[in-house]
Amino acid sequence: ETGVTQSPTHLIKTRGQQVTLRCSSQSGHNTVSWYQQALGQGPQFIFQYYREEENGRGNFPPRFSGLQFPNYSSELNVNALELDDSALYLCASSLGGGGTNEKLFFGSGTQLSVL
Amino acid sequence: GDSVTQMEGPVTLSEEAFLTINCTYTATGYPSLFWYVQYPGEGLQLLLKATKADDKGSNKGFEATYRKETTSFHLEKGSVQVSDSAVYFCALTPYSSASKIIFGSGTRLSIRP
Repeated sequence: ETGVTQSPTHLIKTRGQQVTLRCSSQSGHNTVSWYQQALGQGPQFIFQYYREEENGRGNFPPRFSGLQFPNYSSELNVNALELDDSALYLCASSLGGGGTNEKLFFGSGTQLSVL
Repeated sequence: GDSVTQMEGPVTLSEEAFLTINCTYTATGYPSLFWYVQYPGEGLQLLLKATKADDKGSNKGFEATYRKETTSFHLEKGSVQVSDSAVYFCALTPYSSASKIIFGSGTRLSIRP
């Protein structure tokens, strides 16, 4: 048990809709990273937030956006959903921003299906 | 760009067999290297890491050595157990972008009793 919780665990949406996924970090962690894991693939980095500011971004379009709140919980928002957005979305928390990836703790993920 | 290539699975072994999962990487500079494990129904967990050339990471009987000359980080275990059945991911953090991890595609390992 890592202490990182994600909600919901499963979600079904239709193409063109918008979705918000939520993550509660491990206590005391000020950094959150989001990853997309397609079926049978490794996770791909979406972005990282450190103390409420974006601290790095992967090759994802602007319709993927995020927020980190003062209590360090986080949201991932995806607009104009496409079929290829169907994946497991993973949240990971750590302490101290970039350079601390060896101390990442992952949640169990939100499984998003886009129909 | 930086990338990780790992042995395709699935890999099926008998209990107590020797395990090797191959991993090679492409990166500039000196990335940090990791092996992560995903047990059924659980989140990703860090298994072991190495941050510089010739470092050996080890945990739970698993080992991997950071080989700069061959750009490899192969995972080994001398005697696998049924409980080692999981998906294993080789990964790196680029020297130039410490906020992200680049993962390989994963290798599913199944151990027969």
